[in-house]
Amino acid sequence: EVQLLESGGGLVQPGGSLRLSCAASGFTFNSYAMSWVRQAPGKGLEWVSAISGSGGSTYYADSVKGRFTISRDNSKNMLYLQMNSLRAEDTAVYYCARLPRHCSGGDCYGGYFDYWGQGTLVTVSS
Amino acid sequence: QSALTQPASVSGSPGQSITISCTGTSSDVGGYNYVSWYQQHPDKAPKLMINDVSNRPSGVSNRFSGSKSGNTASLTISGLQAEDEADYYCSSYTSSSTYVFGTGTKVTVL
Repeated sequence: EVQLLESGGGLVQPGGSLRLSCAASGFTFNSYAMSWVRQAPGKGLEWVSAISGSGGSTYYADSVKGRFTISRDNSKNMLYLQMNSLRAEDTAVYYCARLPRHCSGGDCYGGYFDYWGQGTLVTVSS
Repeated sequence: QSALTQPASVSGSPGQSITISCTGTSSDVGGYNYVSWYQQHPDKAPKLMINDVSNRPSGVSNRFSGSKSGNTASLTISGLQAEDEADYYCSSYTSSSTYVFGTGTKVTVL
């Protein structure tokens, strides 16, 4: 059974930092790209970042580029999101999600979010 | 990257069919067959309902179907049931190798 369990959320002041973690189990972790998706209170889903199975390729939404860093440790089946220079508008529930993509000739693209964690709440406020 | 456009709300009576639209551009919805749909009940994580425009994952009811025409994708729920009342989001891969979600649609079963 695929399981994703996020942790690390909490209250942080504007300008502060936080690192989210996602523990994965039930599948071959390094065979899948992974992603972070967030949802502000009462709002819709927003894609944040993605990382390839090897960790060699990373992708970011413009809203977090330069402030957030996605990474993974395939030896521990762990996904991370380092969040720096946090702003009030980063307040949200952050979900990690598995991202199966289509791969051909070494290039991967497309995909969808087939399994999601339960989410962890990040609140940025003074 | 702007969010894909969905109607804010759609409603229907039990047993009826409803369709939710998802409009993007040629750089996302129109450019790739990588549109997916998610169902989200209150205070729950999203659940994948449709991937790659029209593929239904194992375990998802065959009352859910997806399609695409040009820059607009659609999710149809047939034989509407009370348990279908939820928020629905579309998502698409983009030409920037990123992903974008729709604005979300609240489905109400009358």
